[in-house]
Amino acid sequence: NAGVMQNPRHLVRRRGQEARLRCSPMKGHSHVYWYRQLPEEGLKFMVYLQKENIIDESGMPKERFSAEFPKEGPSILRIQQVVRGDSAAYFCASSPTSGGNNEQFFGPGTRLTVL
Amino acid sequence: QQQVKQSPQSLIVQKGGISIINCAYENTAFDYFPWYQQFPGKGPALLIAIRPDVSEKKEGRFTISFNKSAKQFSLHIMDSQPGDSATYFCAAREYSGSARQLTFGSGTQLTVLP
Repeated sequence: NAGVMQNPRHLVRRRGQEARLRCSPMKGHSHVYWYRQLPEEGLKFMVYLQKENIIDESGMPKERFSAEFPKEGPSILRIQQVVRGDSAAYFCASSPTSGGNNEQFFGPGTRLTVL
Repeated sequence: QQQVKQSPQSLIVQKGGISIINCAYENTAFDYFPWYQQFPGKGPALLIAIRPDVSEKKEGRFTISFNKSAKQFSLHIMDSQPGDSATYFCAAREYSGSARQLTFGSGTQLTVLP
């Protein structure tokens, strides 16, 4: 039973380029969450999606960031025109439901470095 | 912004000792409090979690103590082992409207000396 998968694990981009981060939730999970972790800090919520729907994007920066979770395929976090401040670890989590404890299981993360 | 305050920032414990990490929150709408363990270069792994209607939950060497009136909760690691050396995060979830996200503490770096 594979866990949450994220790729790439490491991504290097130059300022102004685009970054695409992919997340495949655990089998049977239809709820996906994206979090960002800056060095020496806790994780900060960005966005919560279900299949084909953005449910809560209250943690997403207003510009350059977008997320999707299509009917088929992984969830994508897209960062346009990256800047050095975007360098961080980006984690995806999934849960089987939104109710109850909706335990969130995390992937290994994508570490983005912006040169 | 809702916050969860975690302390200490770092903790050094001898093998066999008890590790204690504390968290405090303000938002009384939080209804679920998990603890995550994270090793360098890895994603957070769910360790143990508690709901506010329970004052204590124990799983193996890990125990959560919850004080609803004080809005505080803590993780106790009994018989700490070098393999427990990792960063620990407390978190809290507000279940309201469309919100399901976890609010994380800033983390505690635990080192267990052999």
